[in-house]
Amino acid sequence: DVKVTQSSRYLVKRTGEKVFLECVQDMDHENMFWYRQDPGLGLRLIYFSYDVKMKEKGDIPEGYSVSREKKERFSLILESASTNQTSMYLCASVNVIGEKLFFGSGTQLSVL
Amino acid sequence: GEDVEQSLFLSVREGDSSVINCTYTDSSSTYLYWYKQEPGAGLQLLTYIFSNMDMKQDQRLTVLLNKKDKHLSLRIADTQTGDSAIYFCAEKVDSSYKLIFGSGTRLLVRP
Repeated sequence: DVKVTQSSRYLVKRTGEKVFLECVQDMDHENMFWYRQDPGLGLRLIYFSYDVKMKEKGDIPEGYSVSREKKERFSLILESASTNQTSMYLCASVNVIGEKLFFGSGTQLSVL
Repeated sequence: GEDVEQSLFLSVREGDSSVINCTYTDSSSTYLYWYKQEPGAGLQLLTYIFSNMDMKQDQRLTVLLNKKDKHLSLRIADTQTGDSAIYFCAEKVDSSYKLIFGSGTRLLVRP
């Protein structure tokens, strides 16, 4: 089975801190995604990457950046965390055919 | 634009069937998905249907797709308390790898 691993289950950070959320997948998938999940809003796409060093903005990229230096790892960066970035962050990856998106277990980030 | 809508909540009794509905707006959807999210966990792919299919059955799960009305449903037969979760409908549009998600339907199964 595909495994998508997010490095932290829970994170608490202070306003203004730089935050790194890490995600690793073990199935050699080309495409990786970062979503945030908020109650009543479902999942919203922040950024995705279709290859090493390639990235594209999703629907809500403001306040975020990403890094994909290796195929298996996709990092989400909050340059200066703000309270409105308190959310559940979900990483996902998909094979080239794109039929099935596999998710990590999520990182619940609280920005105080 | 692209939009996927679901009702927010459904409550059923254990042993009954559950039907979770979803509507989408983009007629160029290629695949439609149902994901399940249990408390404190990520999303787990339950099933998916290709847009040229009307129905797909997988054990207790039946997916119905009405492409004309852009309506997708998930039927869970003999619903169990372990089925209590949030269910997300999602569509994949054209050749993009991006999925558009609904806001999720919380299913509560009463004993």
